[in-house]
Amino acid sequence: DAGVIQSPRHEVTEMGQEVTLRCKPISGHDYLFWYRQTMMRGLELLIYFNNNVPIDDSGMPEDRFSAKMPNASFSTLKIQPSEPRDSAVYFCASSPRDPAGEQFFGPGTRLTVL
Amino acid sequence: GQQVMQIPQYQHVQEGEDFTTYCNSSTTLSNIQWYKQRPGGHPVFLIQLVKSGEVKKQKRLTFQFGEAKKNSSLHITATQTTDVGTYFCAGGIAGNMLTFGGGTRLMVKP
Repeated sequence: DAGVIQSPRHEVTEMGQEVTLRCKPISGHDYLFWYRQTMMRGLELLIYFNNNVPIDDSGMPEDRFSAKMPNASFSTLKIQPSEPRDSAVYFCASSPRDPAGEQFFGPGTRLTVL
Repeated sequence: GQQVMQIPQYQHVQEGEDFTTYCNSSTTLSNIQWYKQRPGGHPVFLIQLVKSGEVKKQKRLTFQFGEAKKNSSLHITATQTTDVGTYFCAGGIAGNMLTFGGGTRLMVKP
């Protein structure tokens, strides 16, 4: 199995631009998670899906952030408009059957907003 | 909500010294997981503990789950430079999402 796939791996954009991060979970995994990691705040859960349905989005910082999962093999995290404080590494992870079970992380997208 | 605290935040050790990181949950857990993130990498699952008082070993790594299922520890014997990275614990309650601790960053001086 290819593991969790994320794209792009690096993104540099200017403040105010729209940013879209993409994730392909491991086939057959029911749960998908989006995390943000910074030095200051550590690893933060933004949102997670079960069978493509958003279950908990309480970690989404504000309305500028949105996430979708149109099918079992694809999810996006969108930031519009982006701000410099959004600069971070964004991880997608998937889990087979239980949100409290082992999670498989993707390589992450390093986002820099200038 | 559930909180998972991890100490210390940082640890510098000389190669060959032992290292321990501690994890405490505000609530009783169904399981505790440990992940390792190498510099520039992503968190990678190491192990899961589910039983009260459970102890598991992976070569030089020893993992413990407390009797009350609210705390855990990871101990590395005789650290090596390959052990460098950030170690996260994550507390699980069945049916709910995992809650990650803040991580302990381990630095090893050769």
